[in-house]
Amino acid sequence: ETGVTQTPRHLVMGMTNKKSLKCEQHLGHNAMYWYKQSAKKPLELMFVYNFKEQTENNSVPSRFSPECPNSSHLFLHLHTLQPEDSALYLCASSQTGKLGNTEAFFGQGTRLTVV
Amino acid sequence: DAKTTQPPSMDCAEGRAANLPCNHSTISGNEYVYWYRQIHSQGPQYIIHGLKNNETNEMASLIITEDRKSSTLILPHATLRDTAVYYCIVIIQGAQKLVFGQGTRLTINP
Repeated sequence: ETGVTQTPRHLVMGMTNKKSLKCEQHLGHNAMYWYKQSAKKPLELMFVYNFKEQTENNSVPSRFSPECPNSSHLFLHLHTLQPEDSALYLCASSQTGKLGNTEAFFGQGTRLTVV
Repeated sequence: DAKTTQPPSMDCAEGRAANLPCNHSTISGNEYVYWYRQIHSQGPQYIIHGLKNNETNEMASLIITEDRKSSTLILPHATLRDTAVYYCIVIIQGAQKLVFGQGTRLTINP
């Protein structure tokens, strides 16, 4: 148990579906992240939120839409995905800034399959 | 952030010490060395970090060379559960952008 909870753990969706991934952290951290990990590939940083503001978008296609309503919750809204978007989606949180230590805590991930 | 170089894979016998190297020759003075590991299909797990002194915790030891251009993560008594991909990351303390490379796939053999 890392203090970062992701739901659902597994998701199968069609290319025309709309779904959302949820991430919640109870660690009091000010930054939250979405990563994507495709098979046999390293983790790819998708989005960074710091104090609810998006500070990083690594050229992610618009069919992935993040939302951060507060520092404890992070969503990833999915629509019209492609089969190549099938991957493990990981959420993380950390305390950034001068007093931070960059120790990131990760959730267990959502295994997404697009059919 | 400074780039790191790690061997793609390593093997180690169960019960022996596993020594995982990392080169970071372009590291700057305010960058720390962090190690994470990722067990198959799970989220990465923080292991240890250091600036210039050697560090030890309940999971591992981190040895950083005097010139800080390389480091070694040591798992003193490797078990089968230590089989994972190990990532070495160089980053400024408190930075937002945690970027992972290819890492080293460590296999512990019985």
